[in-house]
Amino acid sequence: SYALTQPSSVSVSPGQTASITCSGDKLGDKYACWYQQKPGQSPVLVIYQDDKRPSGIPERFSGSNSGNTATLSISGTQAMDEADYYCQAWDSSTEAVVFGGGTKLTVL
Amino acid sequence: QITLKESGPTLVRPTQTLTLTCTFSGFSLTTRGGGVGWIRQPPGKALEWLALIYWDDDKRYTPFLKTSLTVTKDTSKNQVVLTMTNLDPVDTATYYCAHRLPGWGGFDYWGPGTLVTVSS
Repeated sequence: SYALTQPSSVSVSPGQTASITCSGDKLGDKYACWYQQKPGQSPVLVIYQDDKRPSGIPERFSGSNSGNTATLSISGTQAMDEADYYCQAWDSSTEAVVFGGGTKLTVL
Repeated sequence: QITLKESGPTLVRPTQTLTLTCTFSGFSLTTRGGGVGWIRQPPGKALEWLALIYWDDDKRYTPFLKTSLTVTKDTSKNQVVLTMTNLDPVDTATYYCAHRLPGWGGFDYWGPGTLVTVSS
């Protein structure tokens, strides 16, 4: 079955750009999306269809997807961005939903 | 405004069957492209997708639990029901239902989640 791989943790200094990757076989041929989850809260969709932002999501969140890797970028990272981030894609052969293992973003 | 809320038992014995209900508002599951998914998260662990039901009653399940899951909808009540059989303590998790964006868009609205503990 299809699998997505994320780094377990990423650290970034306030004001810098954080990049979180998500790898999967030919992921660039599928649509990827990203969720932010803070402790004790439900996930929030921050990027869908590779690079689209839902209403209410700050412009500092952006996404890209090419080859085998999708990337979530957060520019001008703030303390409030510290959270777990999950990528998600659709296995087009089975229409199953696949989540990555999650990345803990620490803003130092 | 779209809202979803999960309901069901908080404690289930091993080998028993779990039935969770997702009650939603702000959209209809009769509208083309609509869908509701179930996702769970064991304490301290990652999200795991379980099932998805579409407006046309098409259904998809995770291959890892396919034989123990059933998802149904009641459009008159705006509810989606997930049934999971033969529970094990490893099924202890927070269970979420979520609204699927039409197309390959992900889940844009989530319920608050309900913690289900499987223990004797």
